[in-house]
Amino acid sequence: KAGVTQTPRYLIKTRGQQVTLSCSPISGHRSVSWYQQTPGQGLQFLFEYFSETQRNKGNFPGRFSGRQFSNSRSEMNVSTLELGDSALYLCASSLEGGASYEQYFGPGTRLTVT
Amino acid sequence: GQSLEQPSEVTAVEGAIVQINCTYQTSGFYGLSWYQQHDGGAPTFLSYNALDGLEETGRFSSFLSRSDSYGYLLLQELQMKDSASYFCAVRPVGTYKYIFGTGTRLKVLA
Repeated sequence: KAGVTQTPRYLIKTRGQQVTLSCSPISGHRSVSWYQQTPGQGLQFLFEYFSETQRNKGNFPGRFSGRQFSNSRSEMNVSTLELGDSALYLCASSLEGGASYEQYFGPGTRLTVT
Repeated sequence: GQSLEQPSEVTAVEGAIVQINCTYQTSGFYGLSWYQQHDGGAPTFLSYNALDGLEETGRFSSFLSRSDSYGYLLLQELQMKDSASYFCAVRPVGTYKYIFGTGTRLKVLA
């Protein structure tokens, strides 16, 4: 079974631009979560989607948004990029999100904002 | 607030046993998970404690004590490949979000 895939793997953007990251979960997994990982802040929860519905959002500004499609694939968008948005963005999928405690992480998208 | 604290770094020699602690301040959660992340890699699931007590999976064991707000990951017969960062994580009751600990970098020396 294929693992979680994320595209692109690396991205360089300029302050003020916007970016869209994509995540394809493991086949059959309906829950997708997104995390931001930085050396200083560790793994920070962004949001979780299940059956195209956002069930939880982390403490991030409204510039961070996401969505999930009917095939469970998910995208996250960051508008008006700031230098502090430079990070590794990880998505993780699980079967149900609630009852399923094991999350499967993708390789991440390394975003650099200059 | 909700937070999980871990030692930032632990060093041990090959073949030894090491314990990575996770102390938390959170009102209620479903269980305590542990993840391993090698440099440049994605976090991978190691273990889960739904109830208090010890869970064993091969060389790795994990422990949870809700009364002490404390858990740990125990790695036995350390190997060089165990050099990685380790994170504890919880899902607060009534939510679908995971809070991760500050992470512990384990260095295994030959």
